[in-house]
Amino acid sequence: EDQVTQSPEALRLQEGESSSLNCSYTVSGLRGLFWYRQDPGKGPEFLFTLYSAGEEKEKERLKATLTKKESFLHITAPKPEDSATYLCAVQDGGFKTIFGAGTRLFVKA
Amino acid sequence: DAGVTQSPTHLIKTRGQQVTLRCSPKSGHDTVSWYQQALGQGPQFIFQYYEEEERQRGNFPDRFSGHQFPNYSSELNVNALLLGDSALYLCASSSQGGGLNQPQHFGDGTRLSIL
Repeated sequence: EDQVTQSPEALRLQEGESSSLNCSYTVSGLRGLFWYRQDPGKGPEFLFTLYSAGEEKEKERLKATLTKKESFLHITAPKPEDSATYLCAVQDGGFKTIFGAGTRLFVKA
Repeated sequence: DAGVTQSPTHLIKTRGQQVTLRCSPKSGHDTVSWYQQALGQGPQFIFQYYEEEERQRGNFPDRFSGHQFPNYSSELNVNALLLGDSALYLCASSSQGGGLNQPQHFGDGTRLSIL
């Protein structure tokens, strides 16, 4: 069965303290892996799409990487405004997108 | 450029009632997907509509049904509401049939509470 597991469930960082979020997945016929950011009371906001092992994408303080079994979202020198829930999702061989439960990130000034 | 819009933003219903939620996709998008998000969980795929037809469905009962109109807007209908249907319902749109390279853009959802 297709599955996405994110860890840790929650992460508390000091401002400037870099860290990584993990997303492990099992899916038949991966068409793409996506990272989203979700703020309280809002819908998910698209960040990155990754398609093949070894691919990397960057946006400001965020960098996403992909291997055959997992993806990492690296956060460099985070700021309080980076506090949010980060969701990982995979698109299967059809048109279904499977989301993980997310990692809640708290960055303290 | 308007993004994905959903209505209403909040809704309170009682068990056994029926509800209709509405979604207008982002301009230029032709594919609409619906998700259910319980508190503290990730979105769960309900179904996807393209060319006015349901083309893939997640593990949801037939009480959940939908429709897509010629202008690409969509409705989600839920019959015989249960307490467990209380959740945030998200609509997402994408372009070019939702194929490769097409990320989904989400609305801010409808918060449905069942009493």
